Amino acid sequence: QSALTQPPAASGSSGQSVTISCIGTSSDVGGYNFVSWYQQHPGKAPQLILYEVDKLPSGLRDRLSRFTGSKSGNTASLTVHGLQAEDEADYYCSSYAGGNTVIFGGGTKLTVL
Amino acid sequence: QLRLQESGPGLVKPSETLSLTCTVSGASISSTSHFWGWVRQPPGKGLEWIASINSSWSTFYNPSLKSRVTVSVDTSKNQFSLKLTSVTAADTAIYYCARPDYSGGWYPSFDYWGQGILVTVSS
Repeated sequence: QSALTQPPAASGSSGQSVTISCIGTSSDVGGYNFVSWYQQHPGKAPQLILYEVDKLPSGLRDRLSRFTGSKSGNTASLTVHGLQAEDEADYYCSSYAGGNTVIFGGGTKLTVL
Repeated sequence: QLRLQESGPGLVKPSETLSLTCTVSGASISSTSHFWGWVRQPPGKGLEWIASINSSWSTFYNPSLKSRVTVSVDTSKNQFSLKLTSVTAADTAIYYCARPDYSGGWYPSFDYWGQGILVTVSS
């Protein structure tokens, strides 16, 4: 199992939208609709922001309404709409990889300009 | 409110065994069918799932670590544990315990996380 591929960095101006990609294979991202995304601020634990490609965790739907997810083939994407300063963080994708295993991406550092 | 708290030594010598415990509060490990997991993050690097276990001792392991990892559960203490043998500097990481919200069996995402514990492997 190899880690999913994410761009190391992404950026956007306040108010704009930015999309982060997560590239896998047909054995993980492409084979299942179990892609999740996590947000991690410095020194903090990761927080789940999307699961099953595009679902928002219950109890956080209002706070996370600017985050959307999609998948096409072996590539999943996270889009942050209306960037805000608080969105500056590291973002990680993960995917079910068969055999009751999960793999993560290498992470993308999002900078809000 | 579910809370997870990791504990254990912050420093482990090379070739020795890393042992960590996650104490659960706000929920009973034995009364649910959730899977409880371990995830680690080397400093400045990405996340890596290590293993998951439920109260019936059903376990799933990352194939790349399986030969060195053992997870266990102690329902009387509402805790679950991780042991990683023959550690090297590459095992230096923040270790998190985590759990999905889904209770119908093993699930490949984690809604709840502990704060993490940094374990350094060094002589």
